[in-house]
Amino acid sequence: KNEVEQSPQNLTAQEGEFITINCSYSVGISALHWLQQHPGGGIVSLFMLSSGKKKHGRLIATINIQEKHSSLHITASHPRDSAVYICAQLPNTGNQFYFGTGTSLTVIP
Amino acid sequence: DVKVTQSSRYLVKRTGEKVFLECVQDMDHENMFWYRQDPGLGLRLIYFSYDVKMKEKGDIPEGYSVSREKKERFSLILESASTNQTSMYLCASSFGRRNTGELFFGEGSRLTVL
Repeated sequence: KNEVEQSPQNLTAQEGEFITINCSYSVGISALHWLQQHPGGGIVSLFMLSSGKKKHGRLIATINIQEKHSSLHITASHPRDSAVYICAQLPNTGNQFYFGTGTSLTVIP
Repeated sequence: DVKVTQSSRYLVKRTGEKVFLECVQDMDHENMFWYRQDPGLGLRLIYFSYDVKMKEKGDIPEGYSVSREKKERFSLILESASTNQTSMYLCASSFGRRNTGELFFGEGSRLTVL
């Protein structure tokens, strides 16, 4: 069974803290996506990874294919980073994405 | 700016009514998806389409149907709405035969069935 697990489920941080959100999956993948959902519904894509590491501003995403694990890091967190972060993986076979249940992040000023 | 547009942000319907949710993308993407999102369950795939007039069932297709007559438009139909279909519905699209591109989402349609 294809499973995607995120941790932690909920996270509260002080402004300026370094944050890590983890995503583990059970099958070989073609790609892994990190998504951000703000209150109100809209989801935006942050990263798409198939290997290594990507950086965009204060956000860094890494993936270890052998260990079937990815992390999303936020440096110098800010209250506007408060959102739900979702990882989604595309397995090697098939063309359906599988999603984690999300990590709800609250950054306190 | 690329866009996925869903027809309604909020709908309230009565049990047994027919419901249409429309999704339009302006990126010439092959792949389009309908998901529902419920607290604690994450995003679950209802149906997806990888070409005009093509559709495949996702994990929870029961009680839903879809239509894709034009490449840019993917419609979700609830033939007879029930209270357990109260949810947030999200449309998404992506490029490439194997979904090799970025995922783009609409703003979501929050449906309440009374």
